[in-house]
Amino acid sequence: DTEVTQTPKHLVMGMTNKKSLKCEQHMGHRAMYWYKQKAKKPPELMFVYSYEKLSINESVPSRFSPECPNSSLLNLHLHALQPEDSALYLCASSQVDREKREQYFGPGTRLTVT
Amino acid sequence: GESVGLHLPTLSVQEGDNSIINCAYSNSASDYFIWYKQESGKGPQFIIDIRSNMDKRQGQRVTVLLNKTVKHLSLQIAATQPGDSAVYFCAEQGSSNTGKLIFGQGTTLQVKP
Repeated sequence: DTEVTQTPKHLVMGMTNKKSLKCEQHMGHRAMYWYKQKAKKPPELMFVYSYEKLSINESVPSRFSPECPNSSLLNLHLHALQPEDSALYLCASSQVDREKREQYFGPGTRLTVT
Repeated sequence: GESVGLHLPTLSVQEGDNSIINCAYSNSASDYFIWYKQESGKGPQFIIDIRSNMDKRQGQRVTVLLNKTVKHLSLQIAATQPGDSAVYFCAEQGSSNTGKLIFGQGTTLQVKP
């Protein structure tokens, strides 16, 4: 099973709202990732968690707050977003092992900020 | 700086023909490369990967070639089918294995029936 699930599939939120994106995997992967993808562009890395600890933050604005409650779950808390934050938010997971580095992606959450 | 790029934004092929999608990378320290397929409205789907100690790797109907001398990566799809229509991304990862993938800009493959 190489499935990464994400909820919700679609989210519309106002600039004053607080919402959360959720990601789950049951492949035993200990690395999890958040990416942002704008239309017709490649995914851009936002955050990396390794063994439930934040290891990379790609200078993401603080209105995006990641959380890794356990080895299977990854959240992205959203607050005071801007319309330009509208995008597809992708979660991915992988093993930490150097020999098995392929990342598996979820279907994404389509976020629209109004 | 680090960058991964693709030579053509769109590739149109006839059903049944072979497809070749190219990718150039600039970071000579990268030692791991992946090809992803992304269909409309879906997340990227892993196709095949290759490490820098290899020149070629084959999967089911797909082959990845790596030329480290000219820092070039290609994906070959045999007997292309309509279901292969998608955007294809190459991605590279450095030897430090931080998990950070750098994606190319993507090539759209259109398969004509």
